[in-house]
Amino acid sequence: EAGVAQSPRYKIIEKRQSVAFWCNPISGHATLYWYQQILGQGPKLLIQFQNNGVVDDSQLPKDRFSAERLKGVDSTLKIQPAKLEDSAVYLCAGGQGMNTEAFFGQGTRLTVV
Amino acid sequence: AQRVTQPEKLLSVFKGAPVELKCNYSYSGSPELFWYVQYSRQRLQLLLRHISRESIKGFTADLNKGETSFHLKKPFAQEEDSAMYYCALSSRGDQKLVFGTGTRLLVSP
Repeated sequence: EAGVAQSPRYKIIEKRQSVAFWCNPISGHATLYWYQQILGQGPKLLIQFQNNGVVDDSQLPKDRFSAERLKGVDSTLKIQPAKLEDSAVYLCAGGQGMNTEAFFGQGTRLTVV
Repeated sequence: AQRVTQPEKLLSVFKGAPVELKCNYSYSGSPELFWYVQYSRQRLQLLLRHISRESIKGFTADLNKGETSFHLKKPFAQEEDSAMYYCALSSRGDQKLVFGTGTRLLVSP
């Protein structure tokens, strides 16, 4: 089905390595979000884009996390270097605007060993 | 600070029994409240939102501003309702979601 695409689905890396996740939202969705979901917790917002501009990155650990959405379509989230506590599912979501439904991808499950 | 509390990690009921998944929130202002659901091996998806005031798959939720609650209810649970349920809020005019920790609903035959 057409929807938010994320890759890879699973990733295992050693601590201090770097990793990148990719997201392609539904066509026409100007707003894009990255959420981090640690096991047993609800998703927590990392960063919000509106087209290719950052709206809110207040909860992004900027010393190791970075994200970009250069053409206002797909986006990448990078972690460098990874720590054990970064093990989580990273969810990408998109939407058409304020107070509209957010559509989520399947997520990327990251395990840092 | 914005916060969503779901006190139950697991709720187990028999088919046909009533279900109530609790959600309380703290927010200074007028939030938008949502319930998201994640079925096994599927992505997180919107179940319902308080401003729509509609029933989806037999589920309803009423925003109680006095008790700062948005409990999800269904009179007769079905096995296919088994899933992870997340309560979430956002600010009016925004789309960023603050999620609770989720409640797993198990409906047994």
